[in-house]
Amino acid sequence: NAGVTQTPKFRVLKTGQSMTLLCAQDMNHEYMYWYRQDPGMGLRLIHYSVGEGTTAKGEVPDGYNVSRLKKQNFLLGLESAAPSQTSVYFCASSRWRSTDTQYFGPGTRLTVL
Amino acid sequence: GESVGLHLPTLSVQEGDNSIINCAYSNSASDYFIWYKQESGKGPQFIIDIRSNMDKRQGQRVTVLLNKTVKHLSLQIAATQPGDSAVYFCAELRMNRDDKIIFGKGTRLHILP
Repeated sequence: NAGVTQTPKFRVLKTGQSMTLLCAQDMNHEYMYWYRQDPGMGLRLIHYSVGEGTTAKGEVPDGYNVSRLKKQNFLLGLESAAPSQTSVYFCASSRWRSTDTQYFGPGTRLTVL
Repeated sequence: GESVGLHLPTLSVQEGDNSIINCAYSNSASDYFIWYKQESGKGPQFIIDIRSNMDKRQGQRVTVLLNKTVKHLSLQIAATQPGDSAVYFCAELRMNRDDKIIFGKGTRLHILP
């Protein structure tokens, strides 16, 4: 099993550009999550999904959209990137609810100029 | 651990000694706690968890202690090894509420040779 994978690993955007981060898991997990990690801030939940076709807002959802069209994939979109979205983004999945172990991907480092 | 500005608190420990990493959690209603380890360039990895009806739980070389009176959590690592070098996060959530995990800001563990 590959576990949780993220694409791309690095990306540089200009302000106003859009992009989509892809997360894939091969563990048949129901729950998936997108977090951002900033220096001194810990991990903050952006959006999450409790199953295929569902999405919900986390702690810091503004400026992001997500989709879960297939159970194994969770996409994070930035429609108009801003420098404040410069961060490291982590995807995670868990079998059922948040109290199940969350497995994290390797992260995507995004820089918005 | 609590962060100081943009810098993570750092704990330096001699190889072979025991490490104790502390965390003050925020919500007295939280009833489930998790410790994660994050190595450089990687996503967080589950270490151990504890529910609020316990005050101690042991794993392999790790022990988590929970003091609900003062909202304090600690992670003890026995016989610290070079591979233990990482940032350690505590996380909390309320199992029967909105399922959103709240991560602490992390403590960097540095192993001295």
